Amino acid sequence: DAEITQSPRHKITETGRQVTLACHQTWNHNNMFWYRQDLGHGLRLIHYSYGVQDTNKGEVSDGYSVSRSNTEDLPLTLESAASSQTSVYFCASRGQYTEAFFGQGTRLTVV
Amino acid sequence: DQQVKQNSPSLSVQEGRISILNCDYTNSMFDYFLWYKKYPAEGPTFLISISSIKDKNEDGRFTVFLNKSAKHLSLHIVPSQPGDSAVYFCAASAQNQGAQKLVFGQGTRLTINP
Repeated sequence: DAEITQSPRHKITETGRQVTLACHQTWNHNNMFWYRQDLGHGLRLIHYSYGVQDTNKGEVSDGYSVSRSNTEDLPLTLESAASSQTSVYFCASRGQYTEAFFGQGTRLTVV
Repeated sequence: DQQVKQNSPSLSVQEGRISILNCDYTNSMFDYFLWYKKYPAEGPTFLISISSIKDKNEDGRFTVFLNKSAKHLSLHIVPSQPGDSAVYFCAASAQNQGAQKLVFGQGTRLTINP
C-alpha cells in the first residue's frame, strides 16, 4: 500500500542547531507540503512543492527551507532552530484534484 | 489574514444526536473544500470533500453543505458516535487557479458524550 512517512517522530534539539525533518511518500504524487500545528492556529503551511526542483514559500516560511530532488522526498530544514519553532510538523502529499494524505507527524522541541 | 475560519474551538454533543461543525472562508477563488479528522498523536485523515459546483455531498453519516453566496460550509454528523470525538479541520483550495495547496482553518474539537 502507498504511504507517507515522517522521521523522526520526536526530536529534541538545542537553539541554534540545524535540524532536518524527513518526509517520504510512495503515492507518486507531484504535490507535497509541510505544515505546522500549533494551538489556536490550526495547520499552517510552511513550504510546498508541485514537482521536482519546484519549491514555494507558504504563510510561515521564515527560518525554514525545503528542497525537492526527486518525487518521493521533501525534507524540511530548520537553518538555526529557535524556541518559536517548537511545534508538531506534518508532511502531506496530494495528487491532482484529490485529497491530501498526511504523515504521522514529527514533534519537535527546541530547548 | 485568516482565509479559512472555524470560529468554534470546541463543541460538545450527546451520543446519537447531530453534530454540526461550521467553517467560513474569505477567498472567492476557493473552489474545492475538504474536511479532515484528527486524533491525538496521529496525522489528519480525510473525511469528505465538496466541489463548488455542488451544494451538498453525503457519505454515510457525514454530509457537507456548501453555501457559496455566504462563503460558508458545514459538516453534519448524524448520528454522532463516541469514536467521532476528535479535532476537525476544514480546508480549501483554489484548484481552478492551479493551486493544489490546502489552506486550513484553526480546527474544532468535537466531544461526543455518552
